[in-house]
Amino acid sequence: QKEVEQDPGPLSVPEGAIVSLNCTYSNSAFQYFMWYRQYSRKGPELLMYTYSSGNKEDGRFTAQVDKSSKYISLFIRDSQPSDSATYLCARYSFGNEKLTFGTGTRLTIIP
Amino acid sequence: DGGITQSPKYLFRKEGQNVTLSCEQNLNHDAMYWYRQDPGQGLRLIYYSQIVNDFQKGDIAEGYSVSREKKESFPLTVTSAQKNPTAFYLCASSGRGSGAYEQYFGPGTRLTVT
Repeated sequence: QKEVEQDPGPLSVPEGAIVSLNCTYSNSAFQYFMWYRQYSRKGPELLMYTYSSGNKEDGRFTAQVDKSSKYISLFIRDSQPSDSATYLCARYSFGNEKLTFGTGTRLTIIP
Repeated sequence: DGGITQSPKYLFRKEGQNVTLSCEQNLNHDAMYWYRQDPGQGLRLIYYSQIVNDFQKGDIAEGYSVSREKKESFPLTVTSAQKNPTAFYLCASSGRGSGAYEQYFGPGTRLTVT
């Protein structure tokens, strides 16, 4: 079983819709979870990170961790065409100081 | 401007040739990383370095080599031993300790080997 699993999509939604992107993880160690956004042919940029459990909100973006189900989610409200990108979830566990990435979900917001 | 630079953006090589990808950062970060990205496989860690003159193998180090002689620089050499070198290569950097989870990426180098 992979440490972090992510549905590759692609996912297409109309402009203004709420987007839900999800990952599952397999290790229960104390850790951080990150969401990166990657535009085509560019390097990923860090959007948000959360601790092992709980929610974090930043503008239109909300990151959520459900520790009981080992599920991490990114919600995008009022989605815009500029949100069209690949979204990568990642897990960081203390001890090895490395990030483990999901495969990424390709999102398209349709105007 | 602080950031990470990678050069060149596109690189073409013939099979059997070694090639070196450049990565420079002016963020004063101790740690630097090299990833490879292939369609449908996400980012895979090649090598990482947490301090000057020290580096460790990642998950897919075979066919690659690195050096870390300066804090700002972490070049990656793709050797002729790498069986499938065509890919998008990303360099990243971060602080150490509590800042190690915030990795910042460069723009990437797309390597094509024919």
